[in-house]
Amino acid sequence: AQKITQTQPGMFVQEKEAVTLDCTYDTSDQSYGLFWYKQPSSGEMIFLIYQGSYDEQNATEGRYSLNFQKARKSANLVISASQLGDSAMYFCAMRENRYRIIQGAQKLVFGQGTRLTINP
Amino acid sequence: DGGITQSPKYLFRKEGQNVTLSCEQNLNHDAMYWYRQDPGQGLRLIYYSQIVNDFQKGDIAEGYSVSREKKESFPLTVTSAQKNPTAFYLCASSGDSQANYGYTFGSGTRLTVV
Repeated sequence: AQKITQTQPGMFVQEKEAVTLDCTYDTSDQSYGLFWYKQPSSGEMIFLIYQGSYDEQNATEGRYSLNFQKARKSANLVISASQLGDSAMYFCAMRENRYRIIQGAQKLVFGQGTRLTINP
Repeated sequence: DGGITQSPKYLFRKEGQNVTLSCEQNLNHDAMYWYRQDPGQGLRLIYYSQIVNDFQKGDIAEGYSVSREKKESFPLTVTSAQKNPTAFYLCASSGDSQANYGYTFGSGTRLTVV
């Protein structure tokens, strides 16, 4: 069963508009972490934001915020005031903490990604 | 600066050849990972290693092999048994100090079968 679902293969947004990238997940664990990464055309993966399952507040990092709805098992990324440099692939990922056999090790499962294009 | 170095950036393989992708990190991370990325399929885990001299298969380990003789290094060999090796390969590492950051990634190796 797919654990991370990103239903938007591609999105086109006008510069300066806000954009929401969808992510739903599936787990029976109570303790887990959710991540968003950005992948520009150069290929490297850039960490954007993290949400722990027990965090009561939605995570924010600058223009990025994570709309965490635990009951719905969704962890949508919101980018405010989009910029041309935001054009990239975006991946949602989940860590189920029962896989952390030793400290520091974490097994991430990734969604299929959403290609975001910002139009001038 | 600490980070992960993957080499080469581009690699071409002939049918039937084994090739080895290099991954080196100087972050003092215990855990290292290899992922394969295909268009429209996201990242899929090939192998991971939580400590030196130990590694486990991921979801798509068939046709691949790894070794972890040193903490800093986690090379991936794509063998001739891998029938469709053309893909983008990403190496990553993680340490206890960055639990809320997930992985640090390398810049990737793009492998093409010719």
